[in-house]
Amino acid sequence: LAKTTQPISMDSYEGQEVNITCSHNNIATNDYITWYQQFPSQGPRFIIQGYKTKVTNEVASLFIPADRKSSTLSLPRVSLSDTAVYYCLVRNNNAGNMLTFGGGTRLMVKP
Amino acid sequence: EAGVTQFPSHSVIEKGQTVTLRCDPISGHDNLYWYRRVMGKEIKFLLHFVKESKQDESGMPNNRFLAERTGGTYSTLKVQPAELEDSGVYFCASSRRGGGTEAFFGQGTRLTVV
Repeated sequence: LAKTTQPISMDSYEGQEVNITCSHNNIATNDYITWYQQFPSQGPRFIIQGYKTKVTNEVASLFIPADRKSSTLSLPRVSLSDTAVYYCLVRNNNAGNMLTFGGGTRLMVKP
Repeated sequence: EAGVTQFPSHSVIEKGQTVTLRCDPISGHDNLYWYRRVMGKEIKFLLHFVKESKQDESGMPNNRFLAERTGGTYSTLKVQPAELEDSGVYFCASSRRGGGTEAFFGQGTRLTVV
């Protein structure tokens, strides 16, 4: 499974756009890039998933360059409630949701 | 739609005792996964059920852990006998059949072995 590297922590302010970049140099053809969010005392929650180019949903956007060796999660206009840990994962489509979690990025949104 | 439900939310047991954790997946989800986070470490995969069959149990730490999913509905994870290093948060997740589907996680069971 491809290993992912992402910042340990990030700070932002309410109303700002937050971009969290993740590197996954060893990503394979059957791998999808998936992002989860986790609040304290809760289980991880799916945010967005993509294979290439750009994916957007009501929560976030995911930008994936052509070589797929990195990806960027973009959160528009964050609020205090977006303070959480964000995990970048590479998921092998043949392995279902056997997910390999790294340390994640701890995002702190300040007023 | 009800989410993934785990019971109990917290459990404190003594070393050597037995504990059984339960997970109720989202109705209709064939895939069920167990994960855990021990103190200070990352969330680790334990095993994967497809309906009642164990698809992958490569993450189970040792034979003190036994997972079952009778009838392909809810699942139990039994730890017997519990050791201090088993303390942590145990997560269950479920997803629909087929690749590319998101996993829905429960809130976890916090297990403390004293």
